[in-house]
Amino acid sequence: SYELTQPLSVSVALGQTARITCGGNNIGSKNVHWYQQKPGQAPVLVIYRDSNRPSGIPERFSGSNSGNTATLTISRAQAGDEADYYCQVWDSSTDVVFGGGTKLTVL
Amino acid sequence: QVQLVESGGGVVQPGGSLRLSCAASGFTFSSYGMHWVRQAPGKGLEWVAFIRYDGSNKYYADSVKGRFTISRDNSKNTLYLQMNSLRAEDTAVYYCAKDVQNYGDYPDWFDPWGQGTLVTVSS
Repeated sequence: SYELTQPLSVSVALGQTARITCGGNNIGSKNVHWYQQKPGQAPVLVIYRDSNRPSGIPERFSGSNSGNTATLTISRAQAGDEADYYCQVWDSSTDVVFGGGTKLTVL
Repeated sequence: QVQLVESGGGVVQPGGSLRLSCAASGFTFSSYGMHWVRQAPGKGLEWVAFIRYDGSNKYYADSVKGRFTISRDNSKNTLYLQMNSLRAEDTAVYYCAKDVQNYGDYPDWFDPWGQGTLVTVSS
């Protein structure tokens, strides 16, 4: 079965750049999507197809995907960015797969 | 705007059954695939099931295959999840989510999600 590996937690200083990784075998050949989930709320899409931002998502959010790692980058991190972030792919053998999630702390 | 409202959650004993509903509005429901995703308390997201826009194809996570059934009524703009033989490990908030693809055959990404309904399996 296909697995996605994310760090449990990432910390970033206010105003600095946070990078959250999502590892998977040859993940660069797949479309990766990212969701933000704040406590007590439903997930919200922040990046689709590796690097595309839905309307309403700040330009500070960007994504990349190559080789065995996809990365969500949050520039000029704000306190409001504190949340859990999940990567997601679809694989024909295992259907929809989510990463385990990364808790982002803004210091 | 697109709105998804789940209902039907509650407390059920192990081995019991429950049916969840998701009322959709603000988009052409019959044109989009739909998903159920769950989140156990304090845990991450787990995809549960997907149904094609016309209901002709359904996909399930191994953890629920044979126990859960996803269905839809396009005339009522409603998605369902019938859950049988429930176990303690099925305790979670269950979200419905709209797939992004118009007339898609396979899952893609999810946008938006409903607010979820809590299912607790306990004696």
